Amino acid sequence: GESVGLHLPTLSVQEGDNSIINCAYSNSASDYFIWYKQESGKGPQFIIDIRSNMDKRQGQRVTVLLNKTVKHLSLQIAATQPGDSAVYFCAETRATGNMLTFGGGTRLMVKP
Amino acid sequence: KAGVTQTPRYLIKTRGQQVTLSCSPISGHRSVSWYQQTPGQGLQFLFEYFSETQRNKGNFPGRFSGRQFSNSRSEMNVSTLELGDSALYLCASSLFDPNTEAFFGQGTRLTVV
Repeated sequence: GESVGLHLPTLSVQEGDNSIINCAYSNSASDYFIWYKQESGKGPQFIIDIRSNMDKRQGQRVTVLLNKTVKHLSLQIAATQPGDSAVYFCAETRATGNMLTFGGGTRLMVKP
Repeated sequence: KAGVTQTPRYLIKTRGQQVTLSCSPISGHRSVSWYQQTPGQGLQFLFEYFSETQRNKGNFPGRFSGRQFSNSRSEMNVSTLELGDSALYLCASSLFDPNTEAFFGQGTRLTVV
């Protein structure tokens, strides 16, 4: 598969545990914050987003938290599964146009 | 329904040559964006097209250009290739504007030798 990033920070968790992936963003003017998942050999895949006027949003097994005070975004994955193993990117965008600014990525490894 | 299709999947070019990459978005999607992905720089925005017009452009030299056709298909061109242009080039299409849910293709792996 494609080599997404040779020196990405890595989070290793046990199957069934909860995972928390963190991201620091820089642009206070961003309107949306998003998490994408990229598996080997594939393009990024949308997971969940959150508007800048919210601080928490839940999806299926995932929760995104936004702390605008410290410009911090996190993705919580409940009951992590082997299929969750991938590189996770945070991204931000404005309300106009479709231009995503991505963070550096975190590799999640799930141990069976 | 069919996803975003990028062709070719792999390319090897020589320094100084030029290359054209193609992207067919999901049917009905009018916005097409291009990204460059490298181990060192990560995912970087190149440009976005909507209804055949370039709406946004990233911080890349003029050697990188693109266009979008009336059927929303898009091409990007890189002229005078440099070794540093070796990367995975990803295309994404979006239905709405703004749309945080961009649908990415598998990418074109360009190697410049």
